[in-house]
Amino acid sequence: AQSVTQPDIHITVSEGASLELRCNYSYGATPYLFWYVQSPGQGLQLLLKYLSGDTLVQGIKGFEAEFKRSQSSFNLRKPSVHWSDAAEYFCAVGNSNYQLIWGAGTKLIIKP
Amino acid sequence: GAGVSQSPRYKVAKRGQDVALRCDPISGHVSLFWYQQALGQGPEFLTYFQNEAQLDKSGLPSDRFFAERPEGSVSTLKIQRTQQEDSAVYLCASRRGGRDIQYFGAGTRLSVL
Repeated sequence: AQSVTQPDIHITVSEGASLELRCNYSYGATPYLFWYVQSPGQGLQLLLKYLSGDTLVQGIKGFEAEFKRSQSSFNLRKPSVHWSDAAEYFCAVGNSNYQLIWGAGTKLIIKP
Repeated sequence: GAGVSQSPRYKVAKRGQDVALRCDPISGHVSLFWYQQALGQGPEFLTYFQNEAQLDKSGLPSDRFFAERPEGSVSTLKIQRTQQEDSAVYLCASRRGGRDIQYFGAGTRLSVL
């Protein structure tokens, strides 16, 4: 069955520290992978996506993610977080048609 | 350049009431999706339209849920005889076509008392 696992429900990092959010997926074919961010009261905003090609993808707001097929992972990284990065982050896998399957999300808390 | 607009933003319903949630997609977007997001969870797919055709409604949790997009633009998600378990944020997303990314509205938070 297709699924997405985000093992960390909450992560707390200090402002200026580096960040890595984990995402593992189960999918039978080459996946299309996405990271979205959701701030309170806001819609989901796409940070970055992997469709094919280079496995290291760059996104908005200084985020990047690396697709590792051997580990079925698509972890999100940022070298230095800002207080405005506090939000909930969702990893999703898209199937060959259109449907997105979502992880449960990781809430990022920034310590001053 | 308006994004996806959803109304109302908040809806409180008494158990047993019918509710209608509206989604205005980005102009020209062919595909429209509805998702349900329970508290502390990721979104779950409900249904998908391509233009006015509802191509997949496999995610609708019961026959109390009904969605339509009669002119291939605005969509309405209707929930009849609401139950407490229907309390969630209902998200709408639209897409230009094909494998383009989905753009999300801010959602409608439904609370059933």
